[in-house]
Formats: sequence, C-alpha cells, structure tokens
Amino acid sequence: QKEVEQNSGPLSVPEGAIASLNCTYSDRGSQSFFWYRQYSGKSPELIMFIYSNGDKEDGRFTAQLNKASQYVSLLIRDSQPSDSATYLCAVRVYGQNFVFGPGTRLSVLP
Amino acid sequence: NAGVTQTPKFRILKIGQSMTLQCTQDMNHNYMYWYRQDPGMGLKLIYYSVGAGITDKGEVPNGYNVSRSTTEDFPLRLELAAPSQTSVYFCASTDLGGQSSYEQYFGPGTRLTVT
Repeated sequence: QKEVEQNSGPLSVPEGAIASLNCTYSDRGSQSFFWYRQYSGKSPELIMFIYSNGDKEDGRFTAQLNKASQYVSLLIRDSQPSDSATYLCAVRVYGQNFVFGPGTRLSVLP
Repeated sequence: NAGVTQTPKFRILKIGQSMTLQCTQDMNHNYMYWYRQDPGMGLKLIYYSVGAGITDKGEVPNGYNVSRSTTEDFPLRLELAAPSQTSVYFCASTDLGGQSSYEQYFGPGTRLTVT
C-alpha cells in the first residue's frame, strides 16, 4: 500500500508568519510531488510541483524535496488570511497515477 | 475553455438506486480520473483512463463502473447505491508528456448523499 502522510492540523499561524507544511511518502519509486490547495467546498488547485531534490520557489511559496528521507514540504512566507485552506500533498507513484495525503488544514489568523 | 465540468453538483439517492455522474473535459487530455473525498480526508482514486476505450481500477473501485468512449467524456456509474458511497466526487484530467504537464485539472465536484 503506497501511502502519503501529512499532519492533519489544524495548523494556526499569525498573519505575516511562515507556515510550514510537511508530507512523507512510503514509495521510494515516487517520481513527482505536488502541493494542492483546497478551499472549503471547492476543488483542489495546484500550487506547486517538484521532482528534483532541493528547493523550488514560486513567489511566497517554496517546495522542498528530500528523496533520501522521503520527505517533501511546503513553506508559505508572509502568510495571509486568504491562505487559510486545506493543503493536499500528492505523489505520482507510477505512470499517471497519483496518491494523495489526507491534507493539512491551515488557519492564518489576522 | 471550460476545463473540466461535472454534473450534477448535488444529488440525493435512496439506497439501491443507480445514477451516472457526468464528467467532460475540453482540453484534449488523454488521462482522466475519478476520485472520492470523504469529510476531512484526502482523495481516493476510484477509476482512471489513459485514453478512449481504456480504463482501469484505482484504489476503491467496488460499487462503481466507468466507460470512456470519447476523449472528452468519462462518466462514473453507481449501481445499487449504498450509504458508504456518500461522498464528494471529483473528476480530473491531465496531459501526457513533460513534468510540468502532470498537473491535474479538477472539476467542481459532485456532492452525493445516499440515504
């Protein structure tokens, strides 16, 4: 059973702080890693993807991947109340199939 | 460009009834997926398709069937609905080729209640 795990939260941070979201995965053959944001009652939308070890930055978001530790994280700098949502970690394990984690609920307090 | 569309948005079924959830994409994507999302949980793959005429089971296929007669459409059939199938159903599609093309585009979801 290929698994993706995340802290369910809720993770609460004050506005302007850095939010750190973590994800671990069980399949060493995993190839690509994705972070989706899902607002309540809405469908997931892609924030970032990463497939090489190291950091990848896009605006206020940074994804970090460590394949040796089977760990991927998402940092959100200067967190805003509009960032309050559930963040889903997804892993492409083979072909075109993806395994999703349970999501971490983030609350950014004004 | 509508992206991925799903109908209906909401549905209440009685136990034992059947229904079809519709999914259409206009991006000419080869790969299409059906997921279910239970409250507070992530997405579980029900079925997927790599192209017209080709479908395969995902993690939780029992109680569901799919078909893919065209590139655009990927309907999900529920036979003999059970309370355990109460969930939000998302259809998604993705293109083939290039790491950046593995983004999945999701439809707005269908909220199904079986009572």
